[in-house]
Amino acid sequence: GAVVSQHPSWVICKSGTSVKIECRSLDFQATTMFWYRQFPKQSLMLMATSNEGSKATYEQGVEKDKFLINHASLTLSTLTVTSAHPEDSSFYICSARDSERVGQPQHFGDGTRLSIL
Amino acid sequence: DAKTTQPNSMESNEEEPVHLPCNHSTISGTDYIHWYRQLPSQGPEYVIHGLTSNVNNRMASLAIAEDRKSSTLILHRATLRDAAVYYCMGGSEKLVFGKGTKLTVNP
Repeated sequence: GAVVSQHPSWVICKSGTSVKIECRSLDFQATTMFWYRQFPKQSLMLMATSNEGSKATYEQGVEKDKFLINHASLTLSTLTVTSAHPEDSSFYICSARDSERVGQPQHFGDGTRLSIL
Repeated sequence: DAKTTQPNSMESNEEEPVHLPCNHSTISGTDYIHWYRQLPSQGPEYVIHGLTSNVNNRMASLAIAEDRKSSTLILHRATLRDAAVYYCMGGSEKLVFGKGTKLTVNP
């Protein structure tokens, strides 16, 4: 079945560091991928839509210069948290859908736990 | 994206059926109804989705009201591994998560 892989699974780094998270669709192509953030005991919050070959679309209140998204190929999107601070610590999750097949569901990665010290 | 309403929590006993309701009265005519579930510290897992007709797969059944303003996810025999937060969403592309229903399964 459709698989979405995220890397890394978890990362701990110092405040001020930039962190890159990868999201790959392993057996299908995705022109669109989605990035979510989830704080403890809360639901997933959609951050942005990653569009292959063009700029990402950010949800209201999400800083595009803080969360850089690159979707350079049909199987890879990256989210870079720039100059991360403790308040950016969260669970980041991506999703993708097979764009060549109509009516297919989104599949989610296993998430990346980001902890900023 | 359709606004959805789900009970905050539900409880079931192992090996009994579970019916998880969802209201999505603002869903558009072309939006699919999606159900996902999430275990702690994991990404959401796809359960089932449908447009108008009822749907069955190996995990669950989805019963969609004729007016499409509500749907019910049916787990035919709950197991302890079914304990999770269940989310229903209406959408065609991006999915907006509500608070979901936390399902507890008692042994």
